[in-house]
Amino acid sequence: EPEVTQTPSHQVTQMGQEVILRCVPISNHLYFYWYRQILGQKVEFLVSFYNNEISEKSEIFDDQFSVERPDGSNFTLKIRSTKLEDSAMYFCASNQDQEYGYTFGSGTRLTVV
Amino acid sequence: AQSVTQLDSQVPVFEEAPVELRCNYSSSVSVYLFWYVQYPNQGLQLLLKYLSGSTLVKGINGFEAEFNKSQTSFHLRKPSVHISDTAEYFCAVTAPQAGKSTFGDGTTLTVKP
Repeated sequence: EPEVTQTPSHQVTQMGQEVILRCVPISNHLYFYWYRQILGQKVEFLVSFYNNEISEKSEIFDDQFSVERPDGSNFTLKIRSTKLEDSAMYFCASNQDQEYGYTFGSGTRLTVV
Repeated sequence: AQSVTQLDSQVPVFEEAPVELRCNYSSSVSVYLFWYVQYPNQGLQLLLKYLSGSTLVKGINGFEAEFNKSQTSFHLRKPSVHISDTAEYFCAVTAPQAGKSTFGDGTTLTVKP
């Protein structure tokens, strides 16, 4: 069964450093998303991406965040200057359309120290 | 805007007993409804979904859910649980054409022998 692949599985970074989280969505999917889950809290929407542009973003997704689909397979989330409160599990997801629900990756656990 | 309330944060149950995980939602428009399961250290996996039509939907692993429009509920049920069903369960709603989903806080199901 096709999978969404995320790398790395765990990233430790110092406060103020830039991080790039990588995702390979399912190849025939059209919509791509990033969500995050702070430990013990709910899954929160960050951004959705369609047709090579952001279709929607949340208040969390400020100027420190950016997304890119640099080629036909990868979908990346960049945090320019990490803060302690960015520590969370970041999930990439994709789908063909909203009615299908999401296929999620296994997540990247980001720890900012 | 949509909101999701999962009424039980933790549900302990004995193996082979029935279980119900409760989910209520609020929305000014019709929505798609989903249940996801998250096993430890893994991403979220789609269990089942309701788009329209029959209010009883069946999913993977023997789970089913019933949509109740008047009560704005979408409760998840399984007639007989296994130890392997121990996981976190998330209810989510998506407005058609909206893309992003709103998730509940999650319910931890613990199945005891």
